[in-house]
Amino acid sequence: DSGVTQTPKHLITATGQRVTLRCSPRSGDLSVYWYQQSLDQGLQFLIQYYNGEERAKGNILERFSAQQFPDLHSELNLSSLELGDSALYFCASSVAGGPFAEAFFGQGTRLTVV
Amino acid sequence: AQKVTQAQTEISVVEKEDVTLDCVYETRDTTYYLFWYKQPPSGELVFLIRRNSFDEQNEISGRYSWNFQKSTSSFNFTITASQVVDSAVYFCALSEDSNYQLIWGAGTKLIIKP
Repeated sequence: DSGVTQTPKHLITATGQRVTLRCSPRSGDLSVYWYQQSLDQGLQFLIQYYNGEERAKGNILERFSAQQFPDLHSELNLSSLELGDSALYFCASSVAGGPFAEAFFGQGTRLTVV
Repeated sequence: AQKVTQAQTEISVVEKEDVTLDCVYETRDTTYYLFWYKQPPSGELVFLIRRNSFDEQNEISGRYSWNFQKSTSSFNFTITASQVVDSAVYFCALSEDSNYQLIWGAGTKLIIKP
């Protein structure tokens, strides 16, 4: 158990809908990362927050947004969902926010868009 | 541009054999970090090792060892006396001082047969 909690574990929704994925980092970790894993794109970095502030942005679509709250939990919002958004979404956390940080991953949320 | 190549899509060996997973990276930064993660069938990503670009010392941890060679831009991972529990997808990843996001290889699926 990495100590990173993601909810829900599975989500099935229809195209055009909006969903929110939730992540609680390990106790003491200030940094939260979101990743998308799909068969065709592999693992893609989406976004990173450090102590409530956006630190780095990757291949995150405009339909997607995220935030980190004062209690350090984070939410990833996916809207106007398309079939191609079906993927495993991982949250990870680390103590530090730099590129050297060793990140601990949650078990992921499997999103299926039908 | 930064890139990580794991040319071996899938490797299958019999238990107790040694196996090496290859990782080749591209970066223009002089300061960068290399990682290996394991993704077992259960799906979570497990951190294995981090190396920074200034430390070319090889590392051994039990049956696992890593060979970092800047001259060939490689960071290979060897499992000695493989076990069925080593079956997983293994990812190599890169981050740079100038770019916080982790760039992932496509992964190598390792199958250890009893």
